[in-house]
Amino acid sequence: DAGVIQSPRHEVTEMGQEVTLRCKPISGHDYLFWYRQTMMRGLELLIYFNNNVPIDDSGMPEDRFSAKMPNASFSTLKIQPSEPRDSAVYFCASSTTPKDSPGQPQHFGDGTRLSIL
Amino acid sequence: AQSVTQLGSHVSVSEGALVLLRCNYSSSVPPYLFWYVQYPNQGLQLLLKYTSAATLVKGINGFEAEFKKSETSFHLTKPSAHMSDAAEYFCAVSHGGSQGNLIFGKGTKLSVKP
Repeated sequence: DAGVIQSPRHEVTEMGQEVTLRCKPISGHDYLFWYRQTMMRGLELLIYFNNNVPIDDSGMPEDRFSAKMPNASFSTLKIQPSEPRDSAVYFCASSTTPKDSPGQPQHFGDGTRLSIL
Repeated sequence: AQSVTQLGSHVSVSEGALVLLRCNYSSSVPPYLFWYVQYPNQGLQLLLKYTSAATLVKGINGFEAEFKKSETSFHLTKPSAHMSDAAEYFCAVSHGGSQGNLIFGKGTKLSVKP
């Protein structure tokens, strides 16, 4: 089975440039999550979607960050303009939580390692 | 509100020794609990999960965890550590229902000495 697919795996860009991270969730999953992982702050939830609708974006650091999910099989996380402090590993995860089988786990992609110079 | 506390950001054991990684949770409703493992340069991989079927949960790679409601704990153990177990381990809690959100602990990095 195909897992969560993220692209690119690595991104190096200069400060001020726009960065777009992409995620394809597992087919049939109705929840999609974006996380950021750094040494200092650990794993942080940025935003999550249910049925393509953003449910909680309180973790998005600032207006420079935006996320979209135009359909059930694709999501993007965009940073514009990027800053060196945005350097981190960004993970996408997906899950399904049917009412008759709660407590399903999240399945993670391999992440995008982002470096802003 | 739910929360997870992992005691010890770094644990070091010798190969063949018992592995014990501690996790305590706080939840106002019966929780669903998870352990994930992260190898270098990879995403988080599910080790095991507790969803109230049995208090002792067996996972992959010989790991298991026991849910203790009275202690609000869900510690991860493995009888004999292998070098390949060196990784970071995350405990997470969810209240399930229609919300898929997980609350993660800060992680414990396990080192295994030869």
